[in-house]
Amino acid sequence: DQQVKQNSPSLSVQEGRISILNCDYTNSMFDYFLWYKKYPAEGPTFLISISSIKDKNEDGRFTVFLNKSAKHLSLHIVPSQPGDSAVYFCAAKGGSNYKLTFGKGTLLTVNP
Amino acid sequence: GAVVSQHPSRVICKSGTSVKIECRSLDFQATTMFWYRQFPKKSLMLMATSNEGSKATYEQGVEKDKFLINHASLTLSTLTVTSAHPEDSSFYICSAFKPGLADQDQYFGPGTRLLVL
Repeated sequence: DQQVKQNSPSLSVQEGRISILNCDYTNSMFDYFLWYKKYPAEGPTFLISISSIKDKNEDGRFTVFLNKSAKHLSLHIVPSQPGDSAVYFCAAKGGSNYKLTFGKGTLLTVNP
Repeated sequence: GAVVSQHPSRVICKSGTSVKIECRSLDFQATTMFWYRQFPKKSLMLMATSNEGSKATYEQGVEKDKFLINHASLTLSTLTVTSAHPEDSSFYICSAFKPGLADQDQYFGPGTRLLVL
């Protein structure tokens, strides 16, 4: 039972355009959501997060939007850069449980 | 900062042998560390939660006798894959829990690629 779903295994965008990565979740107990970036043969690095009490969080080129009613979040990267090419994981946690539940990831390729 | 290292980064072993992977928090103390496994094109799956000075807590479906976890100090957790088989070949990643800001409290190591022949 996959509680965090990233239905797009890959996404390709042109440099300078917007990248939109999507994530859906099923567990209503999740109250914190995180995005991680991962290069091959490396561990994930934290990118941005959002609490369930918010619907938007922005950090430079990265913005995360949360739609609680739809149990959906998205990561927007604008403008996209070739260095953004990586696998992006959506993760969630809930309550006092600090365990992270990850989605399968989306491979983003930004073409020069 | 919060740096987590893993050793080795890559290991190849024969079927039936045991392999130990180390996870260290270099600049902070971590009472809790996590071990994940990632198969190709799959998500990071939590295997177990490692607690300093006590037994690890394993996720459902993970054999505790096969994946031995020892968290002997506040900066070191080890995962030993006992009697490894080819199906254990995977990318193993640890993370260390550093309480603080809620947004980022798990810091990940660079991972260990295990190939069992």
